[in-house]
Amino acid sequence: EIQLQESGPGLVKPSQSLSLTCSVTGYTITSGYDWSWIRKFPGNKMEWMGYISYSGSTNYNPSLKSRISITRDTSKNQFFLQLNSVTTEDTATYYCARWEYSSYISYFDYWGQGVMVTVSS
Amino acid sequence: DIQMTQSPSLLSASVGDRVTLSCKASQNIYKYLNWYQQKLGEAPKLLIYYTNSLQTGIPSRFSGSGSGTDYTLTISSLQPEDVATYFCQQYNSWPTFGAGTKLELK
Repeated sequence: EIQLQESGPGLVKPSQSLSLTCSVTGYTITSGYDWSWIRKFPGNKMEWMGYISYSGSTNYNPSLKSRISITRDTSKNQFFLQLNSVTTEDTATYYCARWEYSSYISYFDYWGQGVMVTVSS
Repeated sequence: DIQMTQSPSLLSASVGDRVTLSCKASQNIYKYLNWYQQKLGEAPKLLIYYTNSLQTGIPSRFSGSGSGTDYTLTISSLQPEDVATYFCQQYNSWPTFGAGTKLELK
């Protein structure tokens, strides 16, 4: 069974960087698919942040492009989110998810449980 | 980016009711629309993809329809386990989500 699990600090200070890890079991992230980060703000609005593909290429939400980096460690079957210069507006629950994308079909089919991150001094 | 508007934001219904949730896009999304269910404390679960295709393992009481800018998720007979928040998501351009409809039992 494919499982994704987020981990990382639950509290980050303003202006610092937010760093999260997504550990994947049951599927090798270099075998296929794109591996995304998605966040849900208080009030339920969700935002796709970006992905790293099975080949290692990345694509980011234009609204975050200057602050975001998604990388991976294939030896550990993990991928990572770094978001720089955070503000209180970045307080959210962060999810990692597998993104199926082919022809006219595209969806997030496996998700982690999410990790809540609060930005506060 | 494409804005997704869901209505209502809160819906109360009784067990056995036929329930309809709406999702409207700010521009034509050519049926590139998915629906997810999220129960409290759980990860979102894919219910419907490409407007009306039922994900494997999802009960047939769930169905989707729509075209252009207007889309609908229907639950034909509401069950207690359907209490959740439902999100729509488009993928005509980079993915964007609606703010959700919270479904509760009356």
